[in-house]
Amino acid sequence: GAVVSQHPSWVICKSGTSVKIECRSLDFQATTMFWYRQFPKQSLMLMATSNEGSKATYEQGVEKDKFLINHASLTLSTLTVTSAHPEDSSFYICSALNYEQYFGPGTRLTVT
Amino acid sequence: RKEVEQDPGPFNVPEGATVAFNCTYSNSASQSFFWYRQDCRKEPKLLMSVYSSGNEDGRFTAQLNRASQYISLLIRDSKLSDSATYLCVVNMDSNYQLIWGAGTKLIIKP
Repeated sequence: GAVVSQHPSWVICKSGTSVKIECRSLDFQATTMFWYRQFPKQSLMLMATSNEGSKATYEQGVEKDKFLINHASLTLSTLTVTSAHPEDSSFYICSALNYEQYFGPGTRLTVT
Repeated sequence: RKEVEQDPGPFNVPEGATVAFNCTYSNSASQSFFWYRQDCRKEPKLLMSVYSSGNEDGRFTAQLNRASQYISLLIRDSKLSDSATYLCVVNMDSNYQLIWGAGTKLIIKP
């Protein structure tokens, strides 16, 4: 139990385009999901806390207009990277809270 | 100063050896502590929680020293499959937000 999926697992896009990443809790409902970003050889950095039915809470330094989060149902949160730039290339990981955090497999984004 | 600090390694260890990692945290109000394991290009997976009394799970032993604000992980009889990055994680409060160390890379050699 407690499986979290992410889609896509990897994506390459051109600079200036937008990319949507989905995070789904497959066998449980999650009112709270978290979005992280991890650069090579660095720790996971929390970007935002996604709450079902309400606005996401963003960490300091994370632009909410650039990283749009929608948590429209108890099993789905989406992160949209708008007007992506090469510096947005990273490993994006979501987690869903069910007494503890269960992590998705991550999405590797490369912006060319 | 980083909130959670770890030696990045890599630790190159022969198979069968015992290896220990330490991690220090800066906020004395931290409440919960964890060790996660992350394989290359994969998501982190919970290895074990760390309790004040220390806890053991098979070949793995975790200890917490609140006075000195450090956490340790000991791996005995290391296996090739133990090769991974080990992440020290601290939870400050009840909202389940986790603070992550950058990880210690472990390489087990045959």
